[in-house]
Parts: sequence; C-alpha cells; structure tokens
Amino acid sequence: EAGVAQSPRYKIIEKRQSVAFWCNPISGHATLYWYQQILGQGPKLLIQFQNNGVVDDSQLPKDRFSAERLKGVDSTLKIQPAKLEDSAVYLCASSASRLAGETQYFGPGTRLLVL
Amino acid sequence: QKEVEQNSGPLSVPEGAIASLNCTYSDRGSQSFFWYRQYSGKSPELIMFIYSNGDKEDGRFTAQLNKASQYVSLLIRDSQPSDSATYLCAVRTPGAGSYQLTFGKGTKLSVIP
Repeated sequence: EAGVAQSPRYKIIEKRQSVAFWCNPISGHATLYWYQQILGQGPKLLIQFQNNGVVDDSQLPKDRFSAERLKGVDSTLKIQPAKLEDSAVYLCASSASRLAGETQYFGPGTRLLVL
Repeated sequence: QKEVEQNSGPLSVPEGAIASLNCTYSDRGSQSFFWYRQYSGKSPELIMFIYSNGDKEDGRFTAQLNKASQYVSLLIRDSQPSDSATYLCAVRTPGAGSYQLTFGKGTKLSVIP
C-alpha cells in the first residue's frame, strides 16, 4: 500500500512570496490533515478535512494560509504572503476516518525555509 | 487550552537498558493516546496506541495509561542504538467538529552502545 505522498520536499522562498504544498493521501482515506512542525516542537494541526469538507480549521492562520481538497482526494496548502516564522516542516497525514482511535499516517513532509 | 507535556531530554540510556518516557495531558476528556517515533529529518511514525487504563505491550514496547493521574508512559525494553530518536506523545480529544490530535514537544532518546 502506497503511503502519503507530498511535494515538493524542500522549498526556499523570500518573505512576502507565496508558496503551495501538495498532498496525496493513502488510497481510500477519507480524513486528511495538515500539520506545521517548527524545529524542536511537536506537530501542530492546521486543518482537517473529511472528504472535501473542512471539519476543523481553528488553528489555521486564515489571513495568510488557505487549504482545499476539491475532489476529496488530493489537497493543497497555500501560504500567501509568507513570513519568516512560517519556516517549518509541513506534514500531511491521512486516516481512514475521523474516529477517536483512528491511526494517522504521515507523509515525508515539505521543509520550508523563508528568508 | 489542551496541553501535552513531555520532558524534552535528551534522555540517555545504555544499550540493553530500559528507557522510560513520560507524558502528562491537561484535558480530562481525552480518549485515546498515541506514541510516535520521529527520526531526525523524518516524519513521525506510529509505535503504539492505548485507550484503556493499564498496560499494553507490543514487542519491546509497553504503553501505560493512568487517566486519573492524566499520565501516559512508554517503556522500551532492551534498548538498541536504532531506538535513538525523538518520541512524541499525542493525545486525541474532542475538538471543533471532530477529534483533534495534540502533540507534545517530544523527548529525545539517545541509546549509547
């Protein structure tokens, strides 16, 4: 079974530029998550999708971050404009459902450096 | 605010010893508890999960949960150098519209040959 795919793996941009990340979850997984992991911290949930609908975006900085999952499969996370403090690893994860005990499987992440 | 606390370490143990990793959480409504391992530069991978009070064993790993004390631990028996990584405790609680997974900052484990 193929895992969660993400691209690009690395991205370097200057502040105030925009950037987009792509995620393809495990086949059949209805729930998709985007996390931000700053160096030395644990992952922090940004947004959670159930199929193509948002179920939790309470920690997403909506003035600069946006995400979509138009067909209930792939997802894109965008930052516009980027700030220095956005430098982090952006992790995509998926699970078969959003039940309390459901295991989340993580992709390899996209490392973003904002200069 | 939901908080998950871990000692950041580093925790150093000799090869073959037992490594003990601890985690406390603030939300009494938490329902499921996960331990992830993260090697440097890699993404988190699930080691094991626990829902009920008591112990759960899987090979060299044992997870312990005490909901009254809001405490979760992970024991690694016969520690190997390949166990050297950061261990993330994650707690699942009801959130806005679904269940939210909150991670601790992680404990860095170093197993000395």
